[in-house]
Amino acid sequence: EVQLVESGGGLVQPGGSLRLSCAASGFTFSSYSMNWVRQAPGKGLEWVSYISSSSSTIYYADSVKGRFTISRDNAKNSLYLQMNSLRDEDTAVYYCARDVSPFPGTTGYFDYWGQGTLVTVSS
Amino acid sequence: SYELTQPPSVSVSPGQTARITCSGDALPKQYAYWYQQKPGQAPVLVIYKDSERPSGIPERFSGSSSGTTVTLTISGVQAEDEADYYCQSADSSGTYRGVVFGGGTKLTVL
Repeated sequence: EVQLVESGGGLVQPGGSLRLSCAASGFTFSSYSMNWVRQAPGKGLEWVSYISSSSSTIYYADSVKGRFTISRDNAKNSLYLQMNSLRDEDTAVYYCARDVSPFPGTTGYFDYWGQGTLVTVSS
Repeated sequence: SYELTQPPSVSVSPGQTARITCSGDALPKQYAYWYQQKPGQAPVLVIYKDSERPSGIPERFSGSSSGTTVTLTISGVQAEDEADYYCQSADSSGTYRGVVFGGGTKLTVL
């Protein structure tokens, strides 16, 4: 059974940093691209970042570019999101999601999602 | 920036057909995907590659594409289908820029 379990969320002050983790199991993690998607309270889904299976291709949404860094450790079956210079508008539930793309190096659809971890940016 | 446009809400009675549209200039060139999200839960993929249905998704869910608009159709709507629905595609306008989601449509079953 495919499982994605996020952790690392919490309360952080504006300007602070946080590192999210996503532990994957039930599939060959190193064969799949992965994404982070967030959802602010009462709002819609917003894609945050993509990383290919080998980490050779990475994309970021304009809203987080230069502040967030996506990475993965295939030996540990884990995905990460380092979030720096956090702002109030980064408050959201952050989901990791497995990517299935028909074309290498591009994003596809998200067939499995974790349950999310809440990040609250507030003073 | 590239956008996908969905109606904020759609309402139908049980047993009727619900149609949720998603419009975007790049949709003729990029696949669209649909997700269902119920309160407090993670999204669930219900349609991929415009019209394919994942295993475990009821047959009443279907997808179609015409020009710059894709449509999620739910035939014989049931109370359990009440949820938010999001379309998703790729932002390939100019340099490839990643993923874009529509704003979401709240389906209300009357």
